[in-house]
Amino acid sequence: QVQLVQSGAEVKKPGASVKVSCRPSGYAFTGYYIHWVRQAPGQGLEWMGRINPNSGDTNSAQKFQGRVTMTCDTSIGTAYMELTGLTSDSTVVYYCAREMRGGVRGLDYWGQGTLVTVSS
Amino acid sequence: DIQVTQSPSSLSASVGDRVTFTCRASQTIRSYLNWYQQKPGKAPKLLIYAASSLQSGVPLRFSGSGSGTDFTLTISSLQPEDFATYYCQQSYSSPYTFGQGTNLEIK
Repeated sequence: QVQLVQSGAEVKKPGASVKVSCRPSGYAFTGYYIHWVRQAPGQGLEWMGRINPNSGDTNSAQKFQGRVTMTCDTSIGTAYMELTGLTSDSTVVYYCAREMRGGVRGLDYWGQGTLVTVSS
Repeated sequence: DIQVTQSPSSLSASVGDRVTFTCRASQTIRSYLNWYQQKPGKAPKLLIYAASSLQSGVPLRFSGSGSGTDFTLTISSLQPEDFATYYCQQSYSSPYTFGQGTNLEIK
């Protein structure tokens, strides 16, 4: 069955960076885009960007451009999202999700989420 | 960026009720609209994609409709497990923005 397993919770200081991993299983890793979505406590969902694991091509929300780097290691079938310049409003849960095939871009499988706490 | 607005922001209903959520995009998104359900502490779950297609395994009481800028998600007969927050997302153009969510509560 399809699963996306994310790395564990992290605590970071303001100004630091965080790198979250997402390891899908149960399907061909390079065949599906991976999206990154974040959610602050008690708040809504915010789309950050997506990566094509086959080509490495990415696109991200302008809000995060220059701060977010999405990569894939196809040798181990893992996607990564690195965010720099963390602030207190960066204390959120980060999700990876698989984009379904067919061009409609629904997100059909999600990771369990990774909580990143930013605190001095 | 395309803005996506959901209404209402919260809704109280009873088991067995029929409920409808609305999502409006700031410009046409054709049928590139997805609906998700999220329960506290859990990842979102895809319910409807491409405005009206039911994701595999989702109960038939869920349905979606609309195209262009106006969309609806309907639950025909609420079940206890349906009380959650519902989000729409446009997938027409990047950034693939989400609505702010509708919190469905038990009356």
